[in-house]
Order: sequence, then C-alpha cells, then structure tokens
Amino acid sequence: IQLTQSPSSLSASVGDRVTITCRASQGISSYLAWYQQKPGEAPKLLIYSASTLESGVPSRFSGTGSGTEFTLTISSLQPEDFATYYCQRLNAYPPAFGLGTKLDIK
Amino acid sequence: VQLQESGPQLVKPSETLSLTCTLSGDSFGLYHWAWIRQSPGTGLEWIAYVHYSGGANLNPSLKSRLSISIDTTKSQFSLRLASVTAADTAVYFCARQQSSYDLGNYMDVWGTGITVTVSS
Repeated sequence: IQLTQSPSSLSASVGDRVTITCRASQGISSYLAWYQQKPGEAPKLLIYSASTLESGVPSRFSGTGSGTEFTLTISSLQPEDFATYYCQRLNAYPPAFGLGTKLDIK
Repeated sequence: VQLQESGPQLVKPSETLSLTCTLSGDSFGLYHWAWIRQSPGTGLEWIAYVHYSGGANLNPSLKSRLSISIDTTKSQFSLRLASVTAADTAVYFCARQQSSYDLGNYMDVWGTGITVTVSS
C-alpha cells in the first residue's frame, strides 16, 4: 500500500491555515499517523489513529480522514511549524511513510 | 524516556553495520523497539522491531542481511546489517513503537539519530 503526499512543498506565512493531504493506494481505515521533522532532528509524532492528537502537541494541529484520504491541518501557522511533515501507514508490516511535504516561509 | 543510538559512523562496503540503542528513563515493558532509517534517496524506511521477549519483525526488503536483538540487563537493543553497500548510507534512528490492533503501529519516542556512511 503506497502513500502519496501532496503537495510535496508548500510556502505559507505565519498565521495562515495550511492543509496537507495523504492518499493511500488502498483503504487503511484510520491507521494513519502524522510526524513533523525539523532539519537535523528526529521525526516527532503529532497525530495517530488519523485524528488523535499526541500528548503535548498544540491544538492548532488536527487530522481528519479514513479509508484512502487523510488531511493534516495547521489552523494558524506559527514560526516553529516550518518543517517537513510525513504521514505513515500504521496497519500491516512493514509500516510505510509518505515522501514528505516541506513547509517553508513565504 | 530517552533513546540514544551509538556505533561506528563509517563502515566499509561488504562489512557489517552494527548499531546499539540505549534506553533510559523507562523499562522495555510491553512496547516494541524499532529501527528506522532515512536517506535522501529513499526517505523514511522502517527496518525492524524487537520485543523484550526477543520476538521480532523484520522488513522483508532487508531480512536476508538483518538481525536484531535485545539485552534487557543493559537496557539496550541492537541492529546488525550485513554486506552493506552505499545504498545503506543513511541516518539511523531507534524508536519506541506503540503497537495495538486498535491503533496500529506508530513511533512515539525517537532517538536523535546517528549518521552512518558506507564508504571505503
């Protein structure tokens, strides 16, 4: 099962609302996670089970979707949110990641 | 909970890459303990997990060259990848993997990563 993220890159401004999409080639129910990665750092879990916010993650992050289409939304971009975002399929082995969406400052 | 990778950062082609992850601040418990790597060419790739019982699951694409083990007395788990090539050059991360039927398999705690280069 392949994951396709779009867009692959995105420019936005502080305060903007941003949506990133992850599409699965087959239905995966709600078995999807989102991670944020900054340069030189490990990925950080943001959301699992498609919409459950990991403890400590700001509420401006939200996830929706099930089946084959999923979205990650950042309601009001903050300076620390400029990073690369990855989705990950959680069902079956091996777990697989999308290729990422790089979010940078406009 | 903290995880820290260690091991040689330069490995010669055809040799074996060996990495260790040390856990602090928690016990192995009922979690799975995973290795993931990241390279510009292939992105993030899940490698394997090991359970404190010794049970493991390996990525089929690497299985023939891969072994994973755990030493609960030292709070460490380890990865060995044999017959490496330049394609194995990557940043290697260890992570705690949450695994359940209801929620699936996701990594909620990560090490900082170690860069391993395969070159003569």
